[in-house]
Amino acid sequence: EPEVTQTPSHQVTQMGQEVILRCVPISNHLYFYWYRQILGQKVEFLVSFYNNEISEKSEIFDDQFSVERPDGSNFTLKIRSTKLEDSAMYFCASRAGQANTGELFFGEGSRLTVL
Amino acid sequence: LAKTTQPISMDSYEGQEVNITCSHNNIATNDYITWYQQFPSQGPRFIIQGYKTKVTNEVASLFIPADRKSSTLSLPRVSLSDTAVYYCLVGVYNFNKFYFGSGTKLNVKP
Repeated sequence: EPEVTQTPSHQVTQMGQEVILRCVPISNHLYFYWYRQILGQKVEFLVSFYNNEISEKSEIFDDQFSVERPDGSNFTLKIRSTKLEDSAMYFCASRAGQANTGELFFGEGSRLTVL
Repeated sequence: LAKTTQPISMDSYEGQEVNITCSHNNIATNDYITWYQQFPSQGPRFIIQGYKTKVTNEVASLFIPADRKSSTLSLPRVSLSDTAVYYCLVGVYNFNKFYFGSGTKLNVKP
């Protein structure tokens, strides 16, 4: 079964450092997403991406965050200057995009720890 | 986007049927209702989606009354491995923005 893969599985960084989280969505999918989940809390929407541009973003997704799809397969989330409160599990998801098909396929997540 | 309300937690025993209800009073005409399951330290996994009446697949059933202001996820004969958090989402896929609520933590006991 095709799956969304994410790297790294765990990253530890110092406050103020830049972090790039990588995702390989399912190959024929058209819509891509980043979510985050702070330990013990709910899954929070960050951003969606379609046709090489941001489709929607939440209020969490401020100027410290950026996304891109540099090579047609990878989908990356960059945090320019990490803060302690950025420590969370970050999930990438993709969706095929057919009408009325709402299944988001999630990766296993990248755990970010900011010290 | 329609706000959803679910019970924070539920307990059940192996072999029982579990029904988790989600309230979405301001659901819009074009909104679909989708349920996801999440195990600790894993990404959410799609369970079922519906618009109205009843939908059934190999793992669950989804009941949606005529006014669509609530929905009920039904899990037949749960096992210990069904212990997870269950999320109800309401949204229109053309807007490409899906918010998870707080979810229901289901604890299945032996």
